[in-house]
Amino acid sequence: DTAVSQTPKYLVTQMGNDKSIKCEQNLGHDTMYWYKQDSKKFLKIMFSYNNKELIINETVPNRFSPKSPDKAHLNLHINSLELGDSAVYFCASSQEGGAQETQYFGPGTRLLVL
Amino acid sequence: ELKVEQNPLFLSMQEGKNYTIYCNYSTTSDRLYWYRQDPGKSLESLFVLLSNGAVKQEGRLMASLDTKARLSTLHITAAVHDLSATYFCAAGAGSYQLTFGKGTKLSVIP
Repeated sequence: DTAVSQTPKYLVTQMGNDKSIKCEQNLGHDTMYWYKQDSKKFLKIMFSYNNKELIINETVPNRFSPKSPDKAHLNLHINSLELGDSAVYFCASSQEGGAQETQYFGPGTRLLVL
Repeated sequence: ELKVEQNPLFLSMQEGKNYTIYCNYSTTSDRLYWYRQDPGKSLESLFVLLSNGAVKQEGRLMASLDTKARLSTLHITAAVHDLSATYFCAAGAGSYQLTFGKGTKLSVIP
């Protein structure tokens, strides 16, 4: 069973479009995250949710809107896509206070904006 | 603001040799992680270090933590080709947030 899964795995779209990426974890964790990995492989946190509440909201354009319908899901909606949004987006999850709070990462969604 | 610096960023080493990757962080952190990423793949957790002097080993990799120096090291012993990957360290300060280094791309050549 996949612990943290993301869909889609690949996403190619035109500038100006709106798209969503979905993430699900079956680890029973209470915290989920979105990271962006740019072309230079630099990983930066975008958002963190704990028990469906937004905890971390880094300096990210408000075109990016996360939504957590329940503890096992954290989706990312992106409006008016721009060329600079092209990157790999990773979802991760962890359990507060448990297992040294190791974050477990999903397989990534490779977004290419044309 | 917590900053994490890794060096070197690129490392080409011969099979059978030893080498160390360094990870410095700028402010107090209560935990330090090492992750491995293969090309086109996700991040795999290798080690979690929680206290000063902590040392963990798995196969040819050994990680250590010196909280006073704000330094963690990842030592590679007798490198083999299968260890070729990008290695990230990440420091945590408080719950929820990790700050990642830029990664060290390791290539092990015959």
